[in-house]
Amino acid sequence: AQKITQTQPGMFVQEKEAVTLDCTYDTSDPSYGLFWYKQPSSGEMIFLIYQGSYDQQNATEGRYSLNFQKARKSANLVISASQLGDSAMYFCAMREGRGGGNKLTFGTGTQLKVEL
Amino acid sequence: NAGVTQTPKFQVLKTGQSMTLQCAQDMNHEYMSWYRQDPGMGLRLIHYSVGAGITDQGEVPNGYNVSRSTTEDFPLRLLSAAPSQTSVYFCASSLRRPYSNQPQHFGDGTRLSIL
Repeated sequence: AQKITQTQPGMFVQEKEAVTLDCTYDTSDPSYGLFWYKQPSSGEMIFLIYQGSYDQQNATEGRYSLNFQKARKSANLVISASQLGDSAMYFCAMREGRGGGNKLTFGTGTQLKVEL
Repeated sequence: NAGVTQTPKFQVLKTGQSMTLQCAQDMNHEYMSWYRQDPGMGLRLIHYSVGAGITDQGEVPNGYNVSRSTTEDFPLRLLSAAPSQTSVYFCASSLRRPYSNQPQHFGDGTRLSIL
């Protein structure tokens, strides 16, 4: 079974609209962390936001927020007020606590295109 | 602020050749890792290290070798290049805090083509 699943290969959103990128995960470890990274066409990996399994509140970082539903094992990224510069590939990744150390397991990514 | 530096940025090899991808970080991070990125497959872990002198295999280690003689450097060696190793390679580093929100910092990648 896939540990990280991103079911949306591509998404389109109008500028200034909000968009949700889906991520579901699978782990039996009670201690884990979920990360979102952005990869623009230039290729670098940019860290966006983190959610820990024991965090009581959903993470927020500026226009990025994480809709964390632990029982459903989902950690969707919400981008508010989309900008043209948000056009990129977005990856969800998980770090498992027990024996996982700092290792990350990545999803296959969602290509987001922001349109005028 | 150099962060994580990878060299070279691009490389073309012939099947059977060997080469070393270089990775250096100046943040005193204990943890370093190598990933490969292939279309439609996200990033997959090749090898990682939790400190100087300690390395371990990730998800796709075959055909690659690593060593960690210093905290700063973590080179990845292709022993005998194969077309299946055509990929974009990323080096990453982080503090060794498995239960924290410390993100991994990535280099800019090395685009490798094997003919």
